[in-house]
Amino acid sequence: DTEVTQTPKHLVMGMTNKKSLKCEQHMGHRAMYWYKQKAKKPPELMFVYSYEKLSINESVPSRFSPECPNSSLLNLHLHALQPEDSALYLCASSQETRYSPLHFGNGTRLTVT
Amino acid sequence: LAKTTQPISMDSYEGQEVNITCSHNNIATNDYITWYQQFPSQGPRFIIQGYKTKVTNEVASLFIPADRKSSTLSLPRVSLSDTAVYYCLVGDRSDSSASKIIFGSGTRLSIRP
Repeated sequence: DTEVTQTPKHLVMGMTNKKSLKCEQHMGHRAMYWYKQKAKKPPELMFVYSYEKLSINESVPSRFSPECPNSSLLNLHLHALQPEDSALYLCASSQETRYSPLHFGNGTRLTVT
Repeated sequence: LAKTTQPISMDSYEGQEVNITCSHNNIATNDYITWYQQFPSQGPRFIIQGYKTKVTNEVASLFIPADRKSSTLSLPRVSLSDTAVYYCLVGDRSDSSASKIIFGSGTRLSIRP
């Protein structure tokens, strides 16, 4: 079990669908992250939120839209995705202090058909 | 952000000590060294972090020489369950506007009976 919960665990969506990935943590962490991971590759940073404000967007296409409604929740809204967007999407959180390690959820396995 | 270089893969046997070395020639004065472990279809899990010399916890030791240009993760008496990908990360998050936690390519460790 992890302290960062991601739902759903698996998601299959068509290229015209709109869906959302959800992430929740109750550790009081004020930094939250979205990563994308393709098979046999390292996690790739997408977005970073700090105190509920977007602080880093790693030039992610606009078909991915993050949202941080409060300090415990992080969403990733998906629209008009491409098959190459199929991947494991990982959420993480950390304390907003130097050297604080990341706590990851187990991800959402997304398949775009 | 300092770039890291690790072996792509390593093999060992149950009961052996495994040492995975990471090279980070451009490490900056404020950078810490952090290691994560990742099992298939799970998020990475923090293992250990250090700045210099030696750090030990219940699962691993981290050896950092005086010049800090490399580090070695040591796993004592490995078991089959230690089969995973191990990532070495180097960075400093003192600037909260640049909390980029970038993963390198990782080392795929396989443990055999």
